[in-house]
Amino acid sequence: GAGVSQSPRYKVAKRGQDVALRCDPISGHVSLFWYQQALGQGPEFLTYFQNEAQLDKSGLPSDRFFAERPEGSVSTLKIQRTQQEDSAVYLCASSSGVSSSTDTQYFGPGTRLTVL
Amino acid sequence: AQTVTQSQPEMSVQEAETVTLSCTYDTSESDYYLFWYKQPPSRQMILVIRQEAYKQQNATENRFSVNFQKAAKSFSLKISDSQLGDAAMYFCAYRSPPGNTPLVFGKGTRLSVIA
Repeated sequence: GAGVSQSPRYKVAKRGQDVALRCDPISGHVSLFWYQQALGQGPEFLTYFQNEAQLDKSGLPSDRFFAERPEGSVSTLKIQRTQQEDSAVYLCASSSGVSSSTDTQYFGPGTRLTVL
Repeated sequence: AQTVTQSQPEMSVQEAETVTLSCTYDTSESDYYLFWYKQPPSRQMILVIRQEAYKQQNATENRFSVNFQKAAKSFSLKISDSQLGDAAMYFCAYRSPPGNTPLVFGKGTRLSVIA
């Protein structure tokens, strides 16, 4: 079956523009995570969804970042009034369950955002 | 908060040789999970191997194996018979139970494989 997909793969924005990044998780996966990966760094957690509910948004760096998953499948990460420090790769991951400790997170290819 | 440290920013290995990547972590939890992920230039993060902290036996997946030392909080990855396709960034990651907790990653080790 299809893996996690993300679009666009690359996005260039001028400072101050709004952007929307899309994630299509593996069909049927309950859990969905967003991570931010700065250049030369490991991914850092942004937010977590269980179905349509956003249960953890502790990693969002500012109120300019907003994520949603209205129907419990596709998720969108929106960044308003982009700043240069928002330049990074944004990774989406999904996993099948909720409480099973054996769940594996499967990652998409990421969206590379460059803010000029 | 948990932290993961990878002290080797870059490593290189000759094709067909063996290489070990280091990882240490800090936690006060007794139950947790450890992972090694591979990230090639395509950016797709691929799970290489996982280890449950309650298992004393080291995990093995084909040419990949780990040396898990719980008391020392060390989790190294050994790649045997290295292949050109093993060249990538390797990230060590930690996760608390249950399954809906985020991964905590190290900064990564860039592995080069020399033909």
